Amino acid sequence: SQQGEEDPQALSIQEGENATMNCSYKTSINNLQWYRQNSGRGLVHLILIRSNEREKHSGRLRVTLDTSKKSSSLLITASRAADTASYFCATDAGGGADGLTFGKGTHLIIQP
Amino acid sequence: KAGVTQTPRYLIKTRGQQVTLSCSPISGHRSVSWYQQTPGQGLQFLFEYFSETQRNKGNFPGRFSGRQFSNSRSEMNVSTLELGDSALYLCASSSGGWANVLTFGAGSRLTVL
Repeated sequence: SQQGEEDPQALSIQEGENATMNCSYKTSINNLQWYRQNSGRGLVHLILIRSNEREKHSGRLRVTLDTSKKSSSLLITASRAADTASYFCATDAGGGADGLTFGKGTHLIIQP
Repeated sequence: KAGVTQTPRYLIKTRGQQVTLSCSPISGHRSVSWYQQTPGQGLQFLFEYFSETQRNKGNFPGRFSGRQFSNSRSEMNVSTLELGDSALYLCASSSGGWANVLTFGAGSRLTVL
C-alpha cells in the first residue's frame, strides 16, 4: 500500500517559475526522500531529509518536513525544461529492512 | 563507477510463461531491492535482499520470487505470468546503511500478451 501521497498529481508551469509539490504520509518515519523519474526510466535520488530536520537545501531544491502534520514539500526554483519529470516522495520507517514506500508521484511539465 | 545494470531492458511473454530478470548492483552495495511499477498501482515493493538473505518481502503472491548471489547480483523470477504482471520492474541497490538511499537501474519492461 502507498505510504506517501503526492499533491498535485500533475503540475504544468512556465520555464523560470517555481514548482511546489507536496507529500503526505501516514506513519512515523526515519527519513523522507524525494526521487525523480524521467519517462519510463529508473528513479534518481534527489534529496533526503531526516525526521529531526525541518528544512534542507540542495542547489535549486528545497525540502521541508513537518512531522507533526506528517507532510513534506519539494520546491524547485527557477524551473527548466529539463526538470520535466515525475517526482516521488519515499518514506523510510527505519532500519533499512522494510524498504522504501513510494507515493504515486507528481508529474511536472515545464513549458518552454 | 558503473551504475545498476538490469537485463533484459524489454521483453514480451505470453500468459502462463515464466520470466527471469537480472540485476547487477553498484560495486560494494550489498542490498538489492526490487519494485514493480504500473500506471494503476504506482511503485510497489517486491522484496529486498542483503548478503544473499531476503530481508523483507512486499505483498505479492508466491509466483514472484528472487535470490541474491554471493557477488550481490540478484535475479527475480515470475512464474505463470498473468496479463496484470505487465509492468516496469525496477531494481535498486544501496550500501545497506541507515539512510537506505537507493540507486535505481533503468528497469526491465515486461509485456505479457
